[in-house]
Amino acid sequence: DTAVSQTPKYLVTQMGNDKSIKCEQNLGHDTMYWYKQDSKKFLKIMFSYNNKELIINETVPNRFSPKSPDKAHLNLHINSLELGDSAVYFCASSQGAGGLYGYTFGSGTRLTVV
Amino acid sequence: GESVGLHLPTLSVQEGDNSIINCAYSNSASDYFIWYKQESGKGPQFIIDIRSNMDKRQGQRVTVLLNKTVKHLSLQIAATQPGDSAVYFCAEAGGGADGLTFGKGTHLIIQP
Repeated sequence: DTAVSQTPKYLVTQMGNDKSIKCEQNLGHDTMYWYKQDSKKFLKIMFSYNNKELIINETVPNRFSPKSPDKAHLNLHINSLELGDSAVYFCASSQGAGGLYGYTFGSGTRLTVV
Repeated sequence: GESVGLHLPTLSVQEGDNSIINCAYSNSASDYFIWYKQESGKGPQFIIDIRSNMDKRQGQRVTVLLNKTVKHLSLQIAATQPGDSAVYFCAEAGGGADGLTFGKGTHLIIQP
């Protein structure tokens, strides 16, 4: 069983569209994250949820809205997609919010906006 | 602000040689350090970790060294194999709400 699974793996869409990426973890972790990885491989945190509550919200356009229906799921909805949103988005989970037990990452969603 | 960085963005080694990937961190409050490996098309995968009360930890073919005096972390890979080709990230955590902070990554290239 995949520990952290995200769908879809690839997403190609036109500018201006709205899209969602889903993430689920079966590790029983209480904290989930969304990271954006740019073309230079830099991993930048976007959001962090602990027990369904937002605890980190980095400087991200408000076109990005995370939704956590329960602590095993953290979905990312993006409105009015722009060319600069093209990147690989990673979901991750951990036990506890302080990072002291490491994160488990999903396999990523490559978003291409054309 | 605090940051975690890597000295070399790309490291090229001969197959069979040992690889050393370095990382500098600036948050002296960090308690926990991890090395992640990211292969092409995949997410970062845990390799090895070390807590601040240790200065060395060994795994299978990998060793992590921590020098808190100079805030330096290194990953040593013994007898590098083609499957070791990947981007390697160091990450550090101090237990605060920010969680893990990642460095910029080093691309390890294995020459045949």
